[in-house]
Amino acid sequence: AQSVTQLGSHVSVSEGALVLLRCNYSSSVPPYLFWYVQYPNQGLQLLLKYTSAATLVKGINGFEAEFKKSETSFHLTKPSAHMSDAAEYFCAVSLERTGFQKLVFGTGTRLLVSP
Amino acid sequence: DTGVSQDPRHKITKRGQNVTFRCDPISEHNRLYWYRQTLGQGPEFLTYFQNEAQLEKSRLLSDRFSAERPKGSFSTLEIQRTEQGDSAMYLCASGLAGTTGELFFGEGSRLTVL
Repeated sequence: AQSVTQLGSHVSVSEGALVLLRCNYSSSVPPYLFWYVQYPNQGLQLLLKYTSAATLVKGINGFEAEFKKSETSFHLTKPSAHMSDAAEYFCAVSLERTGFQKLVFGTGTRLLVSP
Repeated sequence: DTGVSQDPRHKITKRGQNVTFRCDPISEHNRLYWYRQTLGQGPEFLTYFQNEAQLEKSRLLSDRFSAERPKGSFSTLEIQRTEQGDSAMYLCASGLAGTTGELFFGEGSRLTVL
Protein backbone atom coordinates (compact mmCIF):
# COMPACT_ATOMS: atom_id res chain seq x y z
CA ALA A 1 0.00 0.00 0.00
CA GLN A 2 1.13 3.50 -0.68
CA SER A 3 2.23 5.77 2.15
CA VAL A 4 4.25 8.86 2.90
CA THR A 5 6.60 9.61 5.77
CA GLN A 6 7.37 13.13 6.85
CA LEU A 7 10.56 13.46 8.82
CA GLY A 8 10.30 15.93 11.65
CA SER A 9 7.03 16.97 13.20
CA HIS A 10 8.41 20.49 13.74
CA VAL A 11 10.91 22.53 11.76
CA SER A 12 12.12 25.92 12.96
CA VAL A 13 13.81 28.47 10.73
CA SER A 14 14.63 32.13 10.88
CA GLU A 15 13.00 34.57 8.51
CA GLY A 16 15.03 34.63 5.31
CA ALA A 17 16.52 31.19 5.84
CA LEU A 18 16.10 28.16 3.61
CA VAL A 19 13.06 26.00 4.25
CA LEU A 20 13.42 22.23 3.77
CA LEU A 21 10.56 19.89 4.66
CA ARG A 22 11.17 16.21 4.03
CA CYS A 23 8.82 13.64 2.55
CA ASN A 24 9.54 10.08 1.52
CA TYR A 25 6.97 7.93 -0.22
CA SER A 26 6.29 4.27 -0.61
CA SER A 27 4.41 3.12 -3.67
CA SER A 28 4.43 0.06 -5.87
CA VAL A 29 3.56 2.13 -8.93
CA PRO A 30 4.65 5.60 -10.01
CA PRO A 31 2.77 7.91 -7.71
CA TYR A 32 1.20 11.29 -7.90
CA LEU A 33 2.59 13.40 -5.05
CA PHE A 34 1.27 16.54 -3.43
CA TRP A 35 2.15 19.12 -0.84
CA TYR A 36 -0.68 20.84 0.98
CA VAL A 37 -0.50 23.66 3.53
CA GLN A 38 -2.90 24.18 6.41
CA TYR A 39 -3.20 27.41 8.36
CA PRO A 40 -4.77 27.32 11.83
CA ASN A 41 -8.44 26.43 11.83
CA GLN A 42 -8.54 26.25 8.06
CA GLY A 43 -8.75 23.57 5.42
CA LEU A 44 -5.91 22.39 3.23
CA GLN A 45 -4.61 24.37 0.30
CA LEU A 46 -2.63 22.80 -2.52
CA LEU A 47 0.94 24.09 -2.79
CA LEU A 48 2.14 21.93 -5.67
CA LYS A 49 1.79 18.53 -7.29
CA TYR A 50 3.92 16.02 -9.16
CA THR A 51 2.14 14.08 -11.89
CA SER A 52 5.03 12.43 -13.77
CA ALA A 53 5.95 15.40 -15.92
CA ALA A 54 8.90 17.56 -14.82
CA THR A 55 10.64 16.25 -11.71
CA LEU A 56 11.16 19.77 -10.36
CA VAL A 57 7.78 21.21 -9.55
CA LYS A 58 7.14 24.85 -8.75
CA GLY A 59 4.20 25.83 -6.63
CA ILE A 60 2.61 28.84 -5.06
CA ASN A 61 4.24 31.22 -2.60
CA GLY A 62 7.75 30.46 -3.86
CA PHE A 63 7.75 26.78 -2.87
CA GLU A 64 9.12 24.01 -5.02
CA ALA A 65 9.70 20.28 -4.70
CA GLU A 66 11.82 17.75 -6.53
CA PHE A 67 10.72 14.19 -7.26
CA LYS A 68 13.65 11.80 -6.83
CA LYS A 69 12.69 8.26 -7.73
CA SER A 70 16.05 6.80 -6.65
CA GLU A 71 15.57 8.25 -3.16
CA THR A 72 11.74 7.87 -3.12
CA SER A 73 11.63 11.46 -1.93
CA PHE A 74 9.62 14.58 -2.64
CA HIS A 75 11.11 17.24 -0.37
CA LEU A 76 9.62 20.72 -0.23
CA THR A 77 11.90 23.75 -0.30
CA LYS A 78 11.73 27.51 -0.30
CA PRO A 79 14.88 29.64 -0.61
CA SER A 80 13.84 32.31 1.87
CA ALA A 81 11.27 31.85 4.63
CA HIS A 82 8.70 34.49 5.37
CA MET A 83 6.76 34.89 8.59
CA SER A 84 3.56 34.12 6.69
CA ASP A 85 4.90 30.64 5.84
CA ALA A 86 4.33 29.48 9.40
CA ALA A 87 1.77 26.70 9.06
CA GLU A 88 1.36 22.92 8.95
CA TYR A 89 2.54 21.20 5.79
CA PHE A 90 1.31 17.83 4.59
CA CYS A 91 2.77 15.56 1.97
CA ALA A 92 0.31 13.22 0.26
CA VAL A 93 0.32 10.45 -2.33
CA SER A 94 -2.39 9.37 -4.74
CA LEU A 95 -2.78 6.39 -7.03
CA GLU A 96 -4.81 8.11 -9.68
CA ARG A 97 -3.96 5.36 -12.14
CA THR A 98 -6.24 3.09 -10.19
CA GLY A 99 -9.04 5.46 -11.05
CA PHE A 100 -9.33 6.35 -7.42
CA GLN A 101 -8.41 9.79 -6.22
CA LYS A 102 -7.95 9.01 -2.55
CA LEU A 103 -5.08 10.86 -0.97
CA VAL A 104 -2.94 9.28 1.71
CA PHE A 105 -1.42 11.95 3.91
CA GLY A 106 1.65 12.08 6.06
CA THR A 107 1.45 13.17 9.68
CA GLY A 108 2.46 16.72 8.85
CA THR A 109 5.32 19.08 9.66
CA ARG A 110 4.72 22.29 11.52
CA LEU A 111 6.92 25.09 10.21
CA LEU A 112 7.85 27.75 12.74
CA VAL A 113 9.41 30.98 11.46
CA SER A 114 11.16 33.32 13.86
CA PRO A 115 12.04 36.93 13.15
CA ASP B 1 -17.05 32.25 -3.39
CA THR B 2 -17.03 29.12 -5.51
CA GLY B 3 -14.90 26.93 -3.25
CA VAL B 4 -15.92 24.00 -1.06
CA SER B 5 -18.06 25.12 1.84
CA GLN B 6 -18.85 23.26 5.05
CA ASP B 7 -21.42 23.85 7.73
CA PRO B 8 -21.27 24.20 10.67
CA ARG B 9 -17.68 25.23 11.22
CA HIS B 10 -17.82 24.25 14.85
CA LYS B 11 -20.10 21.90 16.74
CA ILE B 12 -20.03 21.10 20.44
CA THR B 13 -22.23 18.27 21.55
CA LYS B 14 -22.74 15.92 24.43
CA ARG B 15 -21.84 12.28 24.21
CA GLY B 16 -24.68 10.25 22.81
CA GLN B 17 -26.17 13.00 20.68
CA ASN B 18 -26.40 12.88 16.89
CA VAL B 19 -24.69 15.45 14.70
CA THR B 20 -24.85 16.20 10.99
CA PHE B 21 -22.36 18.05 8.83
CA ARG B 22 -23.02 19.44 5.39
CA CYS B 23 -20.62 19.93 2.51
CA ASP B 24 -21.24 21.87 -0.68
CA PRO B 25 -18.56 21.01 -3.25
CA ILE B 26 -17.36 23.01 -6.22
CA SER B 27 -20.31 22.80 -8.57
CA GLU B 28 -18.67 21.07 -11.54
CA HIS B 29 -16.88 18.46 -9.43
CA ASN B 30 -18.34 14.96 -9.60
CA ARG B 31 -16.27 13.52 -6.75
CA LEU B 32 -16.74 14.37 -3.11
CA TYR B 33 -14.61 13.10 -0.25
CA TRP B 34 -14.83 13.10 3.52
CA TYR B 35 -11.68 13.03 5.64
CA ARG B 36 -11.18 13.13 9.39
CA GLN B 37 -8.27 14.91 11.03
CA THR B 38 -7.37 14.52 14.68
CA LEU B 39 -4.91 16.69 16.55
CA GLY B 40 -1.37 16.26 15.36
CA GLN B 41 -2.29 13.92 12.53
CA GLY B 42 -2.79 14.18 8.83
CA PRO B 43 -6.25 13.81 7.33
CA GLU B 44 -7.54 10.23 7.09
CA PHE B 45 -9.86 9.10 4.34
CA LEU B 46 -13.40 8.21 5.40
CA THR B 47 -15.48 7.86 2.26
CA TYR B 48 -16.05 9.21 -1.21
CA PHE B 49 -18.80 9.69 -3.76
CA GLN B 50 -18.84 9.88 -7.49
CA ASN B 51 -21.99 11.76 -8.33
CA GLU B 52 -24.57 10.26 -5.96
CA ALA B 53 -22.92 6.86 -5.62
CA GLN B 54 -20.88 6.10 -2.53
CA LEU B 55 -17.99 4.10 -3.95
CA GLU B 56 -15.82 3.36 -0.96
CA LYS B 57 -15.91 3.53 2.79
CA SER B 58 -12.92 3.30 5.09
CA ARG B 59 -12.84 0.86 7.96
CA LEU B 60 -12.61 3.99 10.10
CA LEU B 61 -16.25 4.63 9.27
CA SER B 62 -18.13 2.71 11.92
CA ASP B 63 -21.83 1.86 11.73
CA ARG B 64 -22.57 5.07 13.62
CA PHE B 65 -21.40 7.08 10.64
CA SER B 66 -23.44 7.57 7.51
CA ALA B 67 -22.85 9.77 4.51
CA GLU B 68 -25.14 10.70 1.68
CA ARG B 69 -25.02 12.69 -1.50
CA PRO B 70 -28.61 12.39 -2.63
CA LYS B 71 -28.58 14.42 -5.83
CA GLY B 72 -24.91 14.32 -6.62
CA SER B 73 -24.42 17.84 -5.32
CA PHE B 74 -24.12 18.54 -1.59
CA SER B 75 -23.31 15.81 0.91
CA THR B 76 -24.11 15.18 4.55
CA LEU B 77 -22.13 13.23 7.13
CA GLU B 78 -24.12 12.09 10.14
CA ILE B 79 -22.65 10.68 13.32
CA GLN B 80 -25.09 8.93 15.60
CA ARG B 81 -24.58 8.40 19.33
CA THR B 82 -21.42 10.45 19.37
CA GLU B 83 -18.45 9.37 21.47
CA GLN B 84 -15.57 11.43 22.78
CA GLY B 85 -13.31 9.69 20.30
CA ASP B 86 -15.30 11.26 17.48
CA SER B 87 -13.90 14.67 18.38
CA ALA B 88 -11.99 15.78 15.30
CA MET B 89 -12.00 18.06 12.31
CA TYR B 90 -14.15 16.66 9.50
CA LEU B 91 -12.89 17.82 6.14
CA CYS B 92 -14.75 17.70 2.87
CA ALA B 93 -13.00 17.84 -0.48
CA SER B 94 -14.09 17.73 -4.08
CA GLY B 95 -12.44 16.93 -7.37
CA LEU B 96 -12.96 15.75 -10.92
CA ALA B 97 -12.70 12.11 -11.88
CA GLY B 98 -10.01 11.44 -14.44
CA THR B 99 -7.90 14.42 -13.50
CA THR B 100 -4.53 14.42 -11.81
CA GLY B 101 -5.75 13.79 -8.32
CA GLU B 102 -5.94 17.34 -7.04
CA LEU B 103 -8.54 17.79 -4.35
CA PHE B 104 -9.99 21.08 -3.18
CA PHE B 105 -10.72 21.18 0.52
CA GLY B 106 -13.25 23.05 2.58
CA GLU B 107 -12.35 24.73 5.85
CA GLY B 108 -13.65 21.82 7.85
CA SER B 109 -16.19 21.21 10.58
CA ARG B 110 -14.70 20.86 14.03
CA LEU B 111 -16.57 18.51 16.33
CA THR B 112 -16.08 18.51 20.09
CA VAL B 113 -17.86 15.78 22.04
CA LEU B 114 -18.11 16.45 25.77
